[in-house]
Formats: sequence, C-alpha cells, structure tokens
Amino acid sequence: AQTVTQSQPEMSVQEAETVTLSCTYDTSESDYYLFWYKQPPSRQMILVIRQEAYKQQNATENRFSVNFQKAAKSFSLKISDSQLGDAAMYFCAYRAGGTSYGKLTFGQGTILTVHP
Amino acid sequence: NAGVTQTPKFQVLKTGQSMTLQCAQDMNHNSMYWYRQDPGMGLRLIYYSASEGTTDKGEVPNGYNVSRLNKREFSLRLESAAPSQTSVYFCASSEVTYSPLHFGNGTRLTVT
Repeated sequence: AQTVTQSQPEMSVQEAETVTLSCTYDTSESDYYLFWYKQPPSRQMILVIRQEAYKQQNATENRFSVNFQKAAKSFSLKISDSQLGDAAMYFCAYRAGGTSYGKLTFGQGTILTVHP
Repeated sequence: NAGVTQTPKFQVLKTGQSMTLQCAQDMNHNSMYWYRQDPGMGLRLIYYSASEGTTDKGEVPNGYNVSRLNKREFSLRLESAAPSQTSVYFCASSEVTYSPLHFGNGTRLTVT
C-alpha cells in the first residue's frame, strides 16, 4: 500500500520569508500524481498545487512551487514571500493513476504558522 | 456554483445512536468519496464510489455504510455510533482519475 509521510508536525516562518514543507511517499507505481492541499481554520480543503509523476519539470503556482525528486520519492512544497493568509494545515497527498478511481492517500499534515 | 455540499455541519450523538451524513455535488462528477480526519493522522478514506451504482471500502470502513443514491448524492451512515467515530468527516468528488478532488466543508461529529 502507498504511504505518505510528513515529518514536520509544525513549522513557522516570518512574513515575507520562504519556507519549505517536506513530504516523502512510498509506491511501486510508475504512474501517479502528487498534491498539496491547504486547510485553513475554516476547515475547507483547498488545492494548492499538483504534480504529475511523468513530468520532470517542477510545478509552480504563483508563490508556491514544488521540488519533485522522483528517485528519492520526495515532494516538498516551497512557499515564497509568505503571507499571514498562508497560515494553515498543509497536507501532502498521493494518487495512483490507472484504475485507482482517484483515491487519495494523505500525509499526517504540517501546521504552518506565519509570524508578522 | 455550490460544488460539494455536506449536511449537517455539526452533530452530537450519544453512543448507540444512528445518523446519516448527506453529500451532494453539482459538478457532474463520476467519483465520490468519504474521508475522516483525525489529529495526527491526516485524512483516511472510509468508502468511495467510482461511479453511480458502485461502492467500495476504503482504509477504515468498519462501523459505516454508504449509499450512492444517484450521480449527485453519496451518503454515509453510522448505524450505532461509537466514541471512536468522533471525527471530522469530508465528502469529496472527482471527475476523472487524474483530476484533483473537490471537497465539501466537512461535518464535525462528536459521539459521547
């Protein structure tokens, strides 16, 4: 079974600084997708960024980017120019391709605090 | 555009009571999912429905049942609630295998 591990239960960053959240996963599949979701105190699950395993180029979305190391099975999230609104729980998630029917496997989550 | 709608938002049950969590999506998605979120454990899949008329167990199905009523609706039933089922429950939907999941806003359930 696939597993996703987020080894940092909590992280903090100063406003305008950069922070990196770590994620590793274990799989024997070659076709899969990786996601970062943000969960603010409102409890809503918001998609931040996604990466297709077959793409070598790292995904970026504005201030958010990933460092995808396929051989190392690592998928870290970098947040640049951190803002107070970035404070949230962040989840890394894995999804196999093929006939997985879209089931996501989540990591344990990392709470990000942003200090003004 | 409502997306994924869950009801209720909050619920308190006594041990042994039953209840049904409702979920509906208006995005014409084929697949729907129920997850539970517990501190330190992320989100874990309870049941999913790959398409209308099919349901399958996820990682933690014990104590739950589901019904895919039609393409839009996917309900989760607790027949005899236990304190271990105290959690936040999320419904989600997805169009195709590689597209992201869209989540509802969750139901906070407390079983006393």
